Amino acid sequence: DTAVSQTPKYLVTQMGNDKSIKCEQNLGHDTMYWYKQDSKKFLKIMFSYNNKELIINETVPNRFSPKSPDKAHLNLHINSLELGDSAVYFCASSQYSGSTDTQYFGPGTRLTVL
Amino acid sequence: AQSVSQHNHHVILSEAASLELGCNYSYGGTVNLFWYVQYPGQHLQLLLKYFSGDPLVKGIKGFEAEFIKSKFSFNLRKPSVQWSDTAEYFCAVKGINAGNMLTFGGGTRLMVKP
Repeated sequence: DTAVSQTPKYLVTQMGNDKSIKCEQNLGHDTMYWYKQDSKKFLKIMFSYNNKELIINETVPNRFSPKSPDKAHLNLHINSLELGDSAVYFCASSQYSGSTDTQYFGPGTRLTVL
Repeated sequence: AQSVSQHNHHVILSEAASLELGCNYSYGGTVNLFWYVQYPGQHLQLLLKYFSGDPLVKGIKGFEAEFIKSKFSFNLRKPSVQWSDTAEYFCAVKGINAGNMLTFGGGTRLMVKP
């Protein structure tokens, strides 16, 4: 009965590798997000998709590419991983209502780049 | 642009003490405001939210927050904390004309001593 789920929970990889993180929500929401939480716990939005279309794209290196195959999934692919990509990545979802929607977060994926 | 400031980075309290965590935002318009909590090793959970109406909002686990528009503040309060309240607390704002972008403060780490 998990609302927003992410896989994997932990990801350890070498610099230069390409990796993907998957996110799925079973809440029937039409909007999904990716956030990055750095080592100081600072949370910043990276992307937002509404009905599979990109609506928010903050200043993120183009090595990061989100892909939304359908409304329930928003995957994050990262090319040529760098040390600075080490962080916890949170997926979230909401039912967009203009202003009064609430975002629900997944459990996070802790990415460590060696 | 919208921004959020949480002035208390670390707070240490004894059980049964009262809690107030500060949150100030910057946005030139109507806002929606949120408090999220992140327990150690867990994902963000919604504590409470303000959209409109009564500026005193009650959330889960005995938490409440008061929206003071003139002060651009949305402070979180709890009359008597418990050891289980040890967590990181995040204030977030969404400007009504800022699309669906949720901006988080830097977080406040609360430690409650038994």
